[in-house]
Amino acid sequence: AQKVTQAQTEISVVEKEDVTLDCVYETRDTTYYLFWYKQPPSGELVFLIRRNSFDEQNEISGRYSWNFQKSTSSFNFTITASQVVDSAVYFCAPGTGANNLFFGTGTRLTVIP
Amino acid sequence: EAQVTQNPRYLITVTGKKLTVTCSQNMNHEYMSWYRQDPGLGLRQIYYSMNVEVTDKGDVPEGYKVSRKEKRNFPLILESPSPNQTSLYFCASSSQGNNQPQHFGDGTRLSIL
Repeated sequence: AQKVTQAQTEISVVEKEDVTLDCVYETRDTTYYLFWYKQPPSGELVFLIRRNSFDEQNEISGRYSWNFQKSTSSFNFTITASQVVDSAVYFCAPGTGANNLFFGTGTRLTVIP
Repeated sequence: EAQVTQNPRYLITVTGKKLTVTCSQNMNHEYMSWYRQDPGLGLRQIYYSMNVEVTDKGDVPEGYKVSRKEKRNFPLILESPSPNQTSLYFCASSSQGNNQPQHFGDGTRLSIL
């Protein structure tokens, strides 16, 4: 069974501040995948990043960076120099495949201009 | 343009009146699924399909039916809708491979009175 915890229900930051969204998961699987999705106010779900459990190399993509630590079962997401357009609900979703993907309850990020 | 199309986007109906939410993808994806999103619960999988004529239950299948007669279409059927099925529904598709991200439709907001 898998469990994912996004303990931060809502976060507010002032524009240009950095913000980190936490994701902690539980799994007994040795091979799994971790996804982050963004849901802006318009409602659609946008894929952001995928990591494999056997690849702990962290990644930076523009203002986004991800910190995957298998030892602590965490897959955190950082936005640097936040912008108003970053305001959205962010979902962490670990799983062993598309038919076994567990979504967290989401973190609502509000960036205040 | 690669996309997952859901219809209708919004529907208000009454208890017991059968309804169908259509989902179509133009990416030739093998895998399709349906989720419902409720406040505080994140996204929960209703049904999924690994390919044509292959469907299986997700976490919350009660009260729903699906079919996969063609690769591109995966309709969600509520034979006798009830108020507890009022929710935001998402259809998703992905190509084969456990590490493939899912592409989501824009969502269908159902209200069952």
